[in-house]
Formats: sequence, structure tokens, C-alpha cells
Amino acid sequence: AAGVIQSPRHLIKEKRETATLKCYPIPRHDTVYWYQQGPGQDPQFLISFYEKMQSDKGSIPDRFSAQQFSDYHSELNMSSLELGDSALYFCASSRRTGNNEQFFGPGTRLTVL
Amino acid sequence: AQKVTQAQTEISVVEKEDVTLDCVYETRDTTYYLFWYKQPPSGELVFLIRRNSFDEQNEISGRYSWNFQKSTSSFNFTITASQVVDSAVYFCALSEGFLQGAQKLVFGQGTRLTINP
Repeated sequence: AAGVIQSPRHLIKEKRETATLKCYPIPRHDTVYWYQQGPGQDPQFLISFYEKMQSDKGSIPDRFSAQQFSDYHSELNMSSLELGDSALYFCASSRRTGNNEQFFGPGTRLTVL
Repeated sequence: AQKVTQAQTEISVVEKEDVTLDCVYETRDTTYYLFWYKQPPSGELVFLIRRNSFDEQNEISGRYSWNFQKSTSSFNFTITASQVVDSAVYFCALSEGFLQGAQKLVFGQGTRLTINP
């Protein structure tokens, strides 16, 4: 069965650079979530989209933005990177009418030097 | 506000022992889901179980079992006859208001489980 795809899997950036993370949800899933997991921390909700519209927002810094495109894939754009942005970024997808089972991608590990 | 507490930061047991991971949650909503995820050293989040707030039946899946008690707002996870491969970080999570559609997950702090041979 198809799973959530995230790219890249690993990313190394310098401080003040920008990064773009991509997420391809499971086919026919209409909702995408982004979570950030710092070292030794639990995943923290950043933002979600339903049918290409932002549906909920968590503790996402103003330096970050995200969107969901017409093919339902989503991108998380991160600017002016800081050392503290080093984390594992998960994307999850689900069907809104489903039972809230969120399928997680493998994550993108971002390292900011 | 919703909150999940996993008071056990780390647990270490010897293989074949039984181990229980505690999870206590807070929510004002009457409709919610509870989850357990496993995160092995490789980093991915592996879904283990989902329970909705109307279903308090305990569940058993092989060596895994879950005890959901609304009276104490707890959703505990027991591994019977633990194995080295069970070593991982385990997260309990909550999402509210499932009648409104899919909702974000709020995770507990996680419990790092180490099974020693």
C-alpha cells in the first residue's frame, strides 16, 4: 500500500538559509499535518491543511510557511534558519471523514549548522 | 485544553518481563481519540492502536494490551514477555472532537523503554 512520502529525508543547512520540505500524502487523503520533533522531545503540531485550505495552526514560527497544492502535496518553507530548527519534521495525512487515523511519513531530518 | 502526561521518562527491564507504560490525559471534549505510537531508533512513528472515547473495551494484540479507563482518564499500555526488539520510545497521543473530522494529535512526552537481554 502507498504510504506518505517525504523529501528530502535528510537536509543540512547553514544558519540564515532557507529550506523547503515536501510531503506527498496517501492517495485520496485530503488532510495533511506537519509536526516538528526536536531532539529528545515529543512531536509538536505545526500546521494542517484540508482541501488546500489551512485548517489549524499550532506553534509554527512566523519564519515558516506552508501550503497544500492542487494535487494535495504540501510544502513547508522555512526561512532564516536557526540552530533550534534542527529537528525531525513529520508529515501525516488522513481522510477527514475517516476515523482520524493519521498516517505518518518517515520524516525529514533537518540539521542547521 | 488538551494534555497528555507520560510520567515515566525511562523504563528499563530484563527481557521476558512484563512492563506497563502509563498515560494520563486531559480534555474537556466528550469525543476524542487516544493513540499509542512506537518510535524505534530509526526515527519513524509506528502506529500501534487507536481508541475512541465511546469504546472503553480493553484490547489485546499479541503481546500488547491496552487498558482504557475514562474514570481515571488513563490509557495504559502493557507489553507482556518483553523482547529486545520492543526497545523504543513510546508516545501516547490524544485528538479531540473527531465528530468534526480529523484533528491534530497532542503527544505525551514519551517513555523510553529499554529491554535488556
